[in-house]
Amino acid sequence: QKEVEQDPGPLSVPEGAIVSLNCTYSNSAFQYFMWYRQYSRKGPELLMYTYSSGNKEDGRFTAQVDKSSKYISLFIRDSQPSDSATYLCAMSPGGYQKVTFGTGTKLQVIP
Amino acid sequence: DAGVTQSPTHLIKTRGQQVTLRCSPKSGHDTVSWYQQALGQGPQFIFQYYEEEERQRGNFPDRFSGHQFPNYSSELNVNALLLGDSALYLCASSATGYEQYFGPGTRLTVT
Repeated sequence: QKEVEQDPGPLSVPEGAIVSLNCTYSNSAFQYFMWYRQYSRKGPELLMYTYSSGNKEDGRFTAQVDKSSKYISLFIRDSQPSDSATYLCAMSPGGYQKVTFGTGTKLQVIP
Repeated sequence: DAGVTQSPTHLIKTRGQQVTLRCSPKSGHDTVSWYQQALGQGPQFIFQYYEEEERQRGNFPDRFSGHQFPNYSSELNVNALLLGDSALYLCASSATGYEQYFGPGTRLTVT
């Protein structure tokens, strides 16, 4: 079993839809939870990170962490065609422990 | 402020050859991590350098080695290249460990 599981998609939604992206994990030591966006043939771009459980909002993006269920989510409101990319979840115990990535979910927002 | 830079952008090597990839971290960052990303997969942690020492290592063979210089820039060396080493190699820099910023990557093709 992988430490971090993520549905690879692809996920196709109409412009303006609310998008929900999810990851599950098995390592209870994870304390920091990150979401990255990666456009084709580019490096990942850090969207936001959350410490422990709870919600964090940044513009159209909201990250949620439920440590009791070992489940994290990223919501994108009013999705735009420019949001079309692969979204990677990533997790770390903190400090300088290594960061473990999911396989990524490919999102396509159709105009 | 320049972000993380990597060179070269793309290179093609033959099986058995050796390759060196380079990375300059974001200003103010002292920690550099290297990842391998195969097509359709999430980044896989190779190793992390801090204060010119390898601090952590992922599940990669000794053919993969690295170095960090006093100015925090870093190199990744891969010896005895295999076809399976073909991938996007990503460098990420950090000041905190978990909050990592990625470069654009080097696409390595082994023929």
